[in-house]
Amino acid sequence: DGGITQSPKYLFRKEGQNVTLSCEQNLNHDAMYWYRQDPGQGLRLIYYSQIVNDFQKGDIAEGYSVSREKKESFPLTVTSAQKNPTAFYLCASSIDDRDISNQPQHFGDGTRLSIL
Amino acid sequence: AQSVTQPDIHITVSEGASLELRCNYSYGATPYLFWYVQSPGQGLQLLLKYFSGDTLVQGIKGFEAEFKRSQSSFNLRKPSVHWSDAAEYFCAVGWHNYGQNFVFGPGTRLSVLP
Repeated sequence: DGGITQSPKYLFRKEGQNVTLSCEQNLNHDAMYWYRQDPGQGLRLIYYSQIVNDFQKGDIAEGYSVSREKKESFPLTVTSAQKNPTAFYLCASSIDDRDISNQPQHFGDGTRLSIL
Repeated sequence: AQSVTQPDIHITVSEGASLELRCNYSYGATPYLFWYVQSPGQGLQLLLKYFSGDTLVQGIKGFEAEFKRSQSSFNLRKPSVHWSDAAEYFCAVGWHNYGQNFVFGPGTRLSVLP
């Protein structure tokens, strides 16, 4: 079955440590997204990528970094510069690289990141 | 800046009762409108979308939504709620070529009483 796989499901980070969240899709979608979800705040866009080797900052990119070396993969690194990283992180994809405003997104099941 | 509001943080209904979840958006241009549902600890699933045409759209799981341009609203409805509908519901709005392309609302949590 096609879908989006996020790993790990739970992740713990020590202070000052970088961690990388994995997101892989086999839907052959061009666009991929990373969101942060906090209670009562809905989803906030961190980064998105419409094509390989290109990505754009969202609303809350500070303290995060991404890469898009392959179409199916869009890993997110939470750096030590992100002072409040505890949250639920969701990866999504949509079908093509043109106008992303009109495209439904397919979501993974998320990674919950906590600080030790 | 564009914004999406869902005025109800939490709604509780009895099983079998009707449901309406509200969604309003701030910008006047014709938007693309979506409703998603999220079960605890999982990702979001698309319920329905509106781009143009008939302002009443049907989605999965018996949900429907109506676009009202004059009220900048896209409310989600279901005539008879089932216990399995308990979840969080998010409205999302996309705007073509205007600032950030899309925004999610803060969500409405639905509880269902037996």
